[in-house]
Amino acid sequence: QKEVEQNSGPLSVPEGAIASLNCTYSDRGSQSFFWYRQYSGKSPELIMFIYSNGDKEDGRFTAQLNKASQYVSLLIRDSQPSDSATYLCAVNTNAGKSTFGDGTTLTVKP
Amino acid sequence: DTEVTQTPKHLVMGMTNKKSLKCEQHMGHRAMYWYKQKAKKPPELMFVYSYEKLSINESVPSRFSPECPNSSLLNLHLHALQPEDSALYLCASSQDGGTGAKNIQYFGAGTRLSVL
Repeated sequence: QKEVEQNSGPLSVPEGAIASLNCTYSDRGSQSFFWYRQYSGKSPELIMFIYSNGDKEDGRFTAQLNKASQYVSLLIRDSQPSDSATYLCAVNTNAGKSTFGDGTTLTVKP
Repeated sequence: DTEVTQTPKHLVMGMTNKKSLKCEQHMGHRAMYWYKQKAKKPPELMFVYSYEKLSINESVPSRFSPECPNSSLLNLHLHALQPEDSALYLCASSQDGGTGAKNIQYFGAGTRLSVL
């Protein structure tokens, strides 16, 4: 079992729809969870981070964390073509080390 | 300023060459990272420096040698690389090696390395 697993893609949604990206992790001791966006040919950039159970909202983005289920998700509301990218879930399993999932490629079609 | 600067942007080297990748940040961050990323794969952690000391080495071959001369600089020395080492090498920094917001990593643009 991989330490961090993301829903297999690619994921395609129409413009204006909600995109839902999911991530599960194996280490119950994990404390911090990050979503990075990576455009093709570019480096990852942080979208959201969360460390408490529940929801965290920032603009069109909502991160959800359920530590009991070892599950973290990212919802993108009113998806735009500019949201088309690979989304990487990263889990901080030990202090100083983040493990990345394989990523989910999202395409938002106009 | 949330910038991490990597040089060079592109590097082509032969298997007998010695080269170095450089990374610099001026955010006062005390943790710095080297990642390797192959096409359509996630970043793969290589090394972590925390307070200028090597804290994590992910069993990377000795042909990769990291160095942290001071809290703002991180180097990756390359020697006798193999063609399969061709990849995007990413540097990142975070406030420190802790958890939560302190572990938010800021990435440089990367060095695209080709080994011939």
